[in-house]
Amino acid sequence: KAGVTQTPRYLIKTRGQQVTLSCSPISGHRSVSWYQQTPGQGLQFLFEYFSETQRNKGNFPGRFSGRQFSNSRSEMNVSTLELGDSALYLCASSSGGLGAYNEQFFGPGTRLTVL
Amino acid sequence: TQLLEQSPQFLSIQEGENLTVYCNSSSVFSSLQWYRQEPGEGPVLLVTVVTGGEVKKLKRLTFQFGDARKDSSLHITAAQTGDTGLYLCQRAGGTSYGKLTFGQGTILTVHP
Repeated sequence: KAGVTQTPRYLIKTRGQQVTLSCSPISGHRSVSWYQQTPGQGLQFLFEYFSETQRNKGNFPGRFSGRQFSNSRSEMNVSTLELGDSALYLCASSSGGLGAYNEQFFGPGTRLTVL
Repeated sequence: TQLLEQSPQFLSIQEGENLTVYCNSSSVFSSLQWYRQEPGEGPVLLVTVVTGGEVKKLKRLTFQFGDARKDSSLHITAAQTGDTGLYLCQRAGGTSYGKLTFGQGTILTVHP
C-alpha cells in the first residue's frame, strides 16, 4: 500500500510570508503527527491530529497551526515566517491507538527554507 | 515530558567494524522504536521492542530492550557503507503520544 506523501518536497519563502504544507497518511490511518527537524534541535513534536481533532500539542508558538480533514489528510500552516523556521518538516501517520504497537510511518518531509 | 538520551552523538568507523548505539531514559516506557534516516528523507522504522529483555535481530542489526524497560541498544555487526545514516530512538505509546519522544540521534558514518 502507498506510503505517507508530503507536498511540496521543497519550498523557499521569505520572512513574514506564510506557508501551508500537506500530508496524506497511509490509507486507513487516522492519526497524523507533525515534527520539525533541525540540526541543532533534532526532531521536535509539533502536534498530532486524530479523527479531525488535535489530540496532542508540542511547545511551538501559535504561528504554527494545523488541521485534519475527514479523509485524514492533514495540513500544517506557519504564519509570519522567521529565519529560524527553516527546517525539514516531517509528517508521520499511524493507526492512532494508544497502545504499545502504535507505530509511526514517516513521509519524506518538506524542506522549508526561509530567506 | 520524558526525554530519551542517545549516545554517542557521532560515530565514525571503518567498514567491517562493530558498533553499539544506546538509548536511555530515567523513566520506564511501554515500548521503543528505532529508526534510520538518510539525508533529505524521513525516518524509516527498523523495529519496535515491547517486552523487557527482548532481543530482536534484523540481519546484521541486533536490538535489545533493557529488563527494566528504561534503556535500549542497537548493535551493528560488520558495518557496511550502506549503514551510514542517522539512527533515532523513539518512545512509543502512552497517553502523551508523540510528545517530545525522540532521542537526539546518532550520526553514523561508515568509511570504505
